[in-house]
Amino acid sequence: SQQGEEDPQALSIQEGENATMNCSYKTSINNLQWYRQNSGRGLVHLILIRSNEREKHSGRLRVTLDTSKKSSSLLITASRAADTASYFCATDMKTSYDKVIFGPGTSLSVIP
Amino acid sequence: DVKVTQSSRYLVKRTGEKVFLECVQDMDHENMFWYRQDPGLGLRLIYFSYDVKMKEKGDIPEGYSVSREKKERFSLILESASTNQTSMYLCASRLGGAAGANVLTFGAGSRLTVL
Repeated sequence: SQQGEEDPQALSIQEGENATMNCSYKTSINNLQWYRQNSGRGLVHLILIRSNEREKHSGRLRVTLDTSKKSSSLLITASRAADTASYFCATDMKTSYDKVIFGPGTSLSVIP
Repeated sequence: DVKVTQSSRYLVKRTGEKVFLECVQDMDHENMFWYRQDPGLGLRLIYFSYDVKMKEKGDIPEGYSVSREKKERFSLILESASTNQTSMYLCASRLGGAAGANVLTFGAGSRLTVL
């Protein structure tokens, strides 16, 4: 069973707009990570937020974590066409810290 | 930079063949992972290894086995390939150790087609 579920499954926005993707998970975690995948390629790590953190920034990325709701959001501000990719959340489970589980991902299209 | 290399980018095999997918990392990482990726399903964990010769089943281990004889190499084996194993296979590694901020480094993927 999948630990994380992203929402929406697909998102299409105009360049310059902000993009928000959400992730929900089921069990307690040590940390939550967001990854990006360009078409047909491997995944690249974007940002990690620990279970005791509520918000984290990295450039145009802002991640929030609400452990009481078991949810996270990724905000990409001032989107660019180059941000077009699939975005995945991954949870580092507390019950098995070596096991990293991914959600099904959000496909983001940024239209120039 | 850590590099994770998957030996084959594209493979075409026949039903019933034994298939080996090889993954090598060059940064002395303890943990290695095999995922398969299918449209609409995201990445699903097949097996992971937290140390040499140690392995744990992921969420979908059926039809697969793994081998980790050396720290840098983690092999995924399909004993008798079936058409429902046609997929993109992704290998990843990370430093491991105490629970904390360990991120995954992925290989480019191996796209397997079973005819």
